[in-house]
Amino acid sequence: DIQMTQSPSSLSASVGDRVTITCQASQDISNHLNWYQQKPGRAPKVLIYDASNLETGVPSRFSGSGSGTDFSLTINTLQPEDIATYYCQQYDNLPQYTFGQGTKLDIK
Amino acid sequence: QVHLVQSGAEVRKPGSSVKVSCKTPGDTFRNYAINWVRQAPGQGLEWMGGIIPIFGPPNYAQQFQGRVTITADESTSTVYMELSSLRSEDTAVYFCARDSSIYGLYYFDSWGQGTQVTVSS
Repeated sequence: DIQMTQSPSSLSASVGDRVTITCQASQDISNHLNWYQQKPGRAPKVLIYDASNLETGVPSRFSGSGSGTDFSLTINTLQPEDIATYYCQQYDNLPQYTFGQGTKLDIK
Repeated sequence: QVHLVQSGAEVRKPGSSVKVSCKTPGDTFRNYAINWVRQAPGQGLEWMGGIIPIFGPPNYAQQFQGRVTITADESTSTVYMELSSLRSEDTAVYFCARDSSIYGLYYFDSWGQGTQVTVSS
């Protein structure tokens, strides 16, 4: 099974900061990685697919990069509404999907 | 976003089963895959399995093999997830989510509102 490890598990940042969350796969998954944002009491929402493609309607301050085993999600100019938990998801060994354990982001 | 509508909250006793429904628009039922993802209190997301209703059969995560059954009813464009032999650790919010794997897009672009399942004696 492919394991996904996110870091950090939680972080605090100030409005206007640049924030980076990383996700590491236990084996090479090419660019088969997505990023989701989940706010309390809500269903997750996709932000980035195929490692670096911005989903329609998602603000351009969100970006994704990486391939192989190491990936990152960056939020440029953090906004108050970005407070949420972020998850990576791999789909290299279809039909199985695996999520990372999540990174909780709050405002300092 | 496509509107996926799930059934309401359920309370079950340990050892019993629960069946959660996810009603989809007709075109979603015919042209997309539906997955089930659960989230225990304060925990992360866990993929349980999925189905492409017009193709079948369903696929299941290994940790749920033998306990989960995903089915689809074409007459009502509804996908079901049944989990048996319930234990307290199955207390969670269960989501259905759509993906476009038929078209080579492997991410969940629409989600249901979630169904709370509580397992308690």
